[in-house]
Amino acid sequence: GENVEQHPSTLSVQEGDSAVIKCTYSDSASNYFPWYKQELGKGPQLIIDIRSNVGEKKDQRIAVTLNKTAKHFSLHITETQPEDSAVYFCAASSRGQNFVFGPGTRLSVLP
Amino acid sequence: DTAVSQTPKYLVTQMGNDKSIKCEQNLGHDTMYWYKQDSKKFLKIMFSYNNKELIINETVPNRFSPKSPDKAHLNLHINSLELGDSAVYFCASSPHRDSGGDTQYFGPGTRLTVL
Repeated sequence: GENVEQHPSTLSVQEGDSAVIKCTYSDSASNYFPWYKQELGKGPQLIIDIRSNVGEKKDQRIAVTLNKTAKHFSLHITETQPEDSAVYFCAASSRGQNFVFGPGTRLSVLP
Repeated sequence: DTAVSQTPKYLVTQMGNDKSIKCEQNLGHDTMYWYKQDSKKFLKIMFSYNNKELIINETVPNRFSPKSPDKAHLNLHINSLELGDSAVYFCASSPHRDSGGDTQYFGPGTRLTVL
């Protein structure tokens, strides 16, 4: 079955700097890769996603890149703000298969 | 107008008790899920329900039973609660029958503590 790894497990950046979180997956059939942000005491919220027919997607300060050959995808947050502090999860799935989540990255944006 | 809602938000109970967590989605989605998030934040799927039919059961103990009275509701019943059941449980939903490759929307979670 699918296995998703995520690095780093914790990340601290200064406000205004960029943050990058990387995930790798094992199942070459996976074709959907969402990123979720989980704030303290809340449920995961989708922030961006990418499908395997696209290499990069951007939404304001957030971007995701996908390398299907290497089976890895990354989340990029630019101009970080204190409200970006949260736990971020990547996931991978394909038709008829569950989401498999990475173990999460705790991002702290220091003022 | 919450999209996916769960009750209760907190649940504290004794070992051996039976409890239920309710979930409702008003998005008109076809598929609903239950996830368990442990103390290390690992998110793992427990069940998936499509139009009142169980389509995935990820080797969860049979003390856990999902019940779906209609496609907008998926409740989780837990019998004979154990200490290891303490976790945060999330309900989620997605639009289509084939859940793979489909965006999932999560509820706010229910923190279950078993004493």
